[in-house]
Amino acid sequence: SQKIEQNSEALNIQEGKTATLTCNYTNYSPAYLQWYRQDPGRGPVFLLLIRENEKEKRKERLKVTFDTTLKQSLFHITASQPADSATYLCALNNAGNMLTFGGGTRLMVKP
Amino acid sequence: EAQVTQNPRYLITVTGKKLTVTCSQNMNHEYMSWYRQDPGLGLRQIYYSMNVEVTDKGDVPEGYKVSRKEKRNFPLILESPSPNQTSLYFCASSPGTGIIQYEQYFGPGTRLTVT
Repeated sequence: SQKIEQNSEALNIQEGKTATLTCNYTNYSPAYLQWYRQDPGRGPVFLLLIRENEKEKRKERLKVTFDTTLKQSLFHITASQPADSATYLCALNNAGNMLTFGGGTRLMVKP
Repeated sequence: EAQVTQNPRYLITVTGKKLTVTCSQNMNHEYMSWYRQDPGLGLRQIYYSMNVEVTDKGDVPEGYKVSRKEKRNFPLILESPSPNQTSLYFCASSPGTGIIQYEQYFGPGTRLTVT
């Protein structure tokens, strides 16, 4: 069956460290993968999109990698800050025009 | 300001009473979509629309209807709501046509409770 897995346990890190979140998928062949940030009770906010032919994408302190052989995307936040605390969702295109989300990983950055 | 709006933001209703949640975007986006979010199940796509008069089912369409008569509006209709439709609902829009390869802009959410 198709599955998108993100670590359901919260990730706790110290301010200033690099946070690394994982998104693994099975039985999908996505053309691209997206990462979103969601704060409690609010709608997700788009962060980055990476296509299947791209290995890495960066935006300010954010970096995403996409390994279609491993069927995995890694999301990194360098020099993390308490304001980065949120739930991070990965999403990939499914059957062309649908978008399927992972369950999200909650990140807690402690000062 | 570019945005997706949803109304109402909060709704408590009773089983079987038809309701509509409205969604509107002012960005001239072709693609619009509805999701529901439940604890432990994450965000799941209900319906999506590639353009006016073009709609298609997502992962969990049962019990829902949609229509896309105008580009900016994409209402979600629950003809006979049931308690298992209690959830947090999000509308989203995205530019471009064809296979989505653009970011989605989400609305603020509608918290629906069906008793």
